[in-house]
Amino acid sequence: RKEVEQDPGPFNVPEGATVAFNCTYSNSASQSFFWYRQDCRKEPKLLMSVYSSGNEDGRFTAQLNRASQYISLLIRDSKLSDSATYLCVVNMRDSRDDKIIFGKGTRLHILP
Amino acid sequence: DVKVTQSSRYLVKRTGEKVFLECVQDMDHENMFWYRQDPGLGLRLIYFSYDVKMKEKGDIPEGYSVSREKKERFSLILESASTNQTSMYLCASSWELSTNEKLFFGSGTQLSVL
Repeated sequence: RKEVEQDPGPFNVPEGATVAFNCTYSNSASQSFFWYRQDCRKEPKLLMSVYSSGNEDGRFTAQLNRASQYISLLIRDSKLSDSATYLCVVNMRDSRDDKIIFGKGTRLHILP
Repeated sequence: DVKVTQSSRYLVKRTGEKVFLECVQDMDHENMFWYRQDPGLGLRLIYFSYDVKMKEKGDIPEGYSVSREKKERFSLILESASTNQTSMYLCASSWELSTNEKLFFGSGTQLSVL
C-alpha cells in the first residue's frame, strides 16, 4: 500500500456544487495532516491544516478519520477559481526522523 | 510573508552540463528542501537540509548534490545533466523539522535538458 494515496481525478464539477475527496495514508504513526492547493504551473500553497476535531475555513472543510486512516476535503458552493490540484500531505515520525509525504494530487475542474 | 525565491523560472541546458539551481528564503528558516515534480509521479524529495552545512538525502538523490553554506541559501547541483532530469524543481523551507510545520515553496524552476 502506498504511503499516501489520492484519487487523481479529474473531478469535473459544475459551479456551485459541493465536491469532496479523500486521501488515505498507510502509517498509523502519522501525526499531522495538511491540504495544499497547486494551480497549473505554480507552486503548492498551504490550503489548510487538518486537525483531529476537523476544521472549517469558509467554504472548505477538512476532516481526519484516524480509525480508517484518511483525511477528507469538502468544498461547498464551488467557484471557477477552485479549479486546481489538491495535494494531501502527511507528516509522520518514523524510527529515525520526521518525514513529509505528499500525495500525487487530485485534479479538480469547476465547470461554468 | 515568507518569501522563497528560486533564481530561474525556466532553464534550458545541454546533456553533460553542470547545472546550479539556487534557492533563497528570507525568514530565517532552519529547514530547506529540494523536490522535483513530474506528471503522474507527484513531488519527490531529492535532498533536504536542517542546518547550515548539514544535508540529508531524500528519496531520489542520485545525480544530484546540494550545498548550504549560509542559512538562507540552499543550492541544488546537477553534476552532469541528463535528459531524465528534465523536470519542475521546487525549493521549500520551514521553521522546524517537526511534524506540525508547513512548507513554503518557491515558484519553481522548469528545467529542460536537451
